[in-house]
Amino acid sequence: GQQLNQSPQSMFIQEGEDVSMNCTSSSIFNTWLWYKQDPGEGPVLLIALYKAGELTSNGRLTAQFGITRKDSFLNISASIPSDVGIYFCAGQGGSEKLVFGKGTKLTVNP
Amino acid sequence: DAMVIQNPRYQVTQFGKPVTLSCSQTLNHNVMYWYQQKSSQAPKLLFHYYDKDFNNEADTPDNFQSRRPNTSFCFLDIRSPGLGDAAMYLCATSRTRELAGANNEQFFGPGTRLTVL
Repeated sequence: GQQLNQSPQSMFIQEGEDVSMNCTSSSIFNTWLWYKQDPGEGPVLLIALYKAGELTSNGRLTAQFGITRKDSFLNISASIPSDVGIYFCAGQGGSEKLVFGKGTKLTVNP
Repeated sequence: DAMVIQNPRYQVTQFGKPVTLSCSQTLNHNVMYWYQQKSSQAPKLLFHYYDKDFNNEADTPDNFQSRRPNTSFCFLDIRSPGLGDAAMYLCATSRTRELAGANNEQFFGPGTRLTVL
């Protein structure tokens, strides 16, 4: 079945630093989604990408849909303490179902 | 605000005692999903409804059932919870089941944390 490789698994950064994480797959996806999950809460949609090559921003967040449709990255600029959480990428391929990456756990030190 | 609501947020049950988790949505979405999420793992799809059409994942245990009495509500029934069923249960919705395209993202509720004693 389809799988997503998300990296890094965890990150420890200082407040103010920029962050980058990515997902890759051997399969083609039609949609890429990036979610953030806080402890004890459900995932919250951050950015949705629909076209190969698309670059989309949401405040300090920027994400891109890879040209090959097999990868996506998420950048966070000037990190702040509330950026702490687990970030999941998810892809939609041949069905409405989401394929999730394993998540990137972000820790921001003040 | 349009949203996905899950009740209760925390549920404690005893081993083998049936439990029902509920989800409601004000988004008027056609598709509703139930996921199980264990600690430090990605959500795992259990089943989903497209309108009243029920779709079970092949590896979802028979112990898990679901009901969708109307567009707004969906229930997850665990007939005989075991210790391994302790997890966060997430409900999600999407507008339709079109394969791709804008405005068909999945939106998640806050989850119900199930503890099995």
